Amino acid sequence: NAGVTQTPKFQVLKTGQSMTLQCAQDMNHNSMYWYRQDPGMGLRLIYYSASEGTTDKGEVPNGYNVSRLNKREFSLRLESAAPSQTSVYFCASSTGAGETQYFGPGTRLLVL
Amino acid sequence: KNEVEQSPQNLTAQEGEFITINCSYSVGISALHWLQQHPGGGIVSLFMLSSGKKKHGRLIATINIQEKHSSLHITASHPRDSAVYICAVKGGSRLTFGEGTQLTVNP
Repeated sequence: NAGVTQTPKFQVLKTGQSMTLQCAQDMNHNSMYWYRQDPGMGLRLIYYSASEGTTDKGEVPNGYNVSRLNKREFSLRLESAAPSQTSVYFCASSTGAGETQYFGPGTRLLVL
Repeated sequence: KNEVEQSPQNLTAQEGEFITINCSYSVGISALHWLQQHPGGGIVSLFMLSSGKKKHGRLIATINIQEKHSSLHITASHPRDSAVYICAVKGGSRLTFGEGTQLTVNP
């Protein structure tokens, strides 16, 4: 039982490049989330998926897109990376909205 | 003003000390979470509570809904408790997070 897994662990991009962050959970959770964490700020919600087949914008969705591929997987895509997207990205899942969330190990992204 | 305010931002203690971290919030909530972020970056949930008090080992979390305030206590602190402790409140379907309290426990 791996919990929540994220790939890659670390990535360096040049401005304008695109990439997809992958997240998968094996706990049969309905809800999944993408957060970013920046120094001096709390975790901020980018997008979430309350259940399979639905996605909604969070607090900071600009520059990102998501896909809830199936119940297990929730990916985050940066179409044209910008230096302001340099951050640590966390995926999380929960049985339902607002319930205890289980976090992945994070992806450190550096955009040059 | 942030919806969730934690104090202190940084806390240094000696091993064995009793530690209190505070969380105040300005919105109506249905539940409050405490999380721990390890020095390596991993985040784990410690508690979810909507009233009263919960205890797990040396950790105790309390909440006062009327005063919009929660505390996380650590008894007999140990260097392995060194981490960032994060408060998050549930309003609607989302969590809103505080900035975290950096705790360092020295041997």
